[in-house]
Amino acid sequence: GENVEQHPSTLSVQEGDSAVIKCTYSDSASNYFPWYKQELGKGPQLIIDIRSNVGEKKDQRIAVTLNKTAKHFSLHITETQPEDSAVYFCAGARGGGATNKLIFGTGTLLAVQP
Amino acid sequence: EPEVTQTPSHQVTQMGQEVILRCVPISNHLYFYWYRQILGQKVEFLVSFYNNEISEKSEIFDDQFSVERPDGSNFTLKIRSTKLEDSAMYFCASTEKSRATNEKLFFGSGTQLSVL
Repeated sequence: GENVEQHPSTLSVQEGDSAVIKCTYSDSASNYFPWYKQELGKGPQLIIDIRSNVGEKKDQRIAVTLNKTAKHFSLHITETQPEDSAVYFCAGARGGGATNKLIFGTGTLLAVQP
Repeated sequence: EPEVTQTPSHQVTQMGQEVILRCVPISNHLYFYWYRQILGQKVEFLVSFYNNEISEKSEIFDDQFSVERPDGSNFTLKIRSTKLEDSAMYFCASTEKSRATNEKLFFGSGTQLSVL
């Protein structure tokens, strides 16, 4: 069935360092991969997304890479700041269909130490 | 910035009682969703809703669950007879889903449901 694995479950970095979170997906038909940031007491907030026709996308300090062959995609955060501390979720979906059901990873708790 | 709003933020109920969770999606959005997150677990899809009908539902969404869009702004999730295992954070989401295939889902802050 559809599944998204996410690693690591927790990640602690020093302020200014980079953080990388990795996900793998099982559904070959998935073609849309968003990343969400969830702060305490809030709902998931979309921070970046990538479609399967693109290998990399960047938005300021955040970048996402996708390897369709290996069914891997990763989130890269550079120059981390304490406000980046949150739980990050990757997800996959068969975009363009009637539903756009997101299959989420298990989440990564990122702690940025000042 | 427009946002998805959910009420209440916390709901405590007795096992066997009915609960209704309420959501106001972003006004120009066409597709609506409910997801849930059991403590410490991943966010799981429950149901999607478009054009006043369910377009897809998961195995979790059994006969005890129903959704409704009673008017032009609200979207509700009803659990008819709550069970202990229904305790979770329930998120409402919506998307514009334009012809450009904009799948960006916007989530509300959630309703924490506790079944005692």
